[in-house]
Amino acid sequence: EAGVTQSPTHLIKTRGQQATLRCSPISGHTSVYWYQQALGLGLQFLLWYDEGEERNRGNFPPRFSGRQFPNYSSELNVNALELEDSALYLCASSLPPGQVYEQYFGPGTRLTVT
Amino acid sequence: SQQGEEDPQALSIQEGENATMNCSYKTSINNLQWYRQNSGRGLVHLILIRSNEREKHSGRLRVTLDTSKKSSSLLITASRAADTASYFCATDSSASKIIFGSGTRLSIRP
Repeated sequence: EAGVTQSPTHLIKTRGQQATLRCSPISGHTSVYWYQQALGLGLQFLLWYDEGEERNRGNFPPRFSGRQFPNYSSELNVNALELEDSALYLCASSLPPGQVYEQYFGPGTRLTVT
Repeated sequence: SQQGEEDPQALSIQEGENATMNCSYKTSINNLQWYRQNSGRGLVHLILIRSNEREKHSGRLRVTLDTSKKSSSLLITASRAADTASYFCATDSSASKIIFGSGTRLSIRP
């Protein structure tokens, strides 16, 4: 069974540009989560999507947005990039809410903003 | 401070020794999970313990949960070089999101 996949692996952008990160969940998983992990720090919850709807978001500005497609894959968009947006962005998927909340993580996208 | 704080922040032990990491949290939880992250990569789920459980084992891993103290511990017995990683606890108090701590960096010395 294929795991969670993310693309691209690395992304280099300049300040003010937009970044788009993609995530494909495990087959059968309807929930997708996005996390930001700045260098040497823990994970900060960004967004949670389930069945195409945004269910919750963390304490991030509106320039962090995303969506979930009918096939449950997801996109994270970061507009007006700032230097401090440089981080590893991790996507995770899980079974629908109400079941066990174990999350399966992708390998991440490392975003560098120069 | 955020839900799910690991302690210590960093731990270095000799191969073969046991490693114990602790996690404290602030609000009532449904479940607590432990994850491992090898350098700069995605997280791997290790074990989930429900709020009505007190102890759980998986191979060389032993997790305890004390809901009265709002704390959990992860014990890795007979450590190996491959156990070198960061370990995170994650708590969920609702279906909305899981909150991760900042992690414990474990180094195993050969």
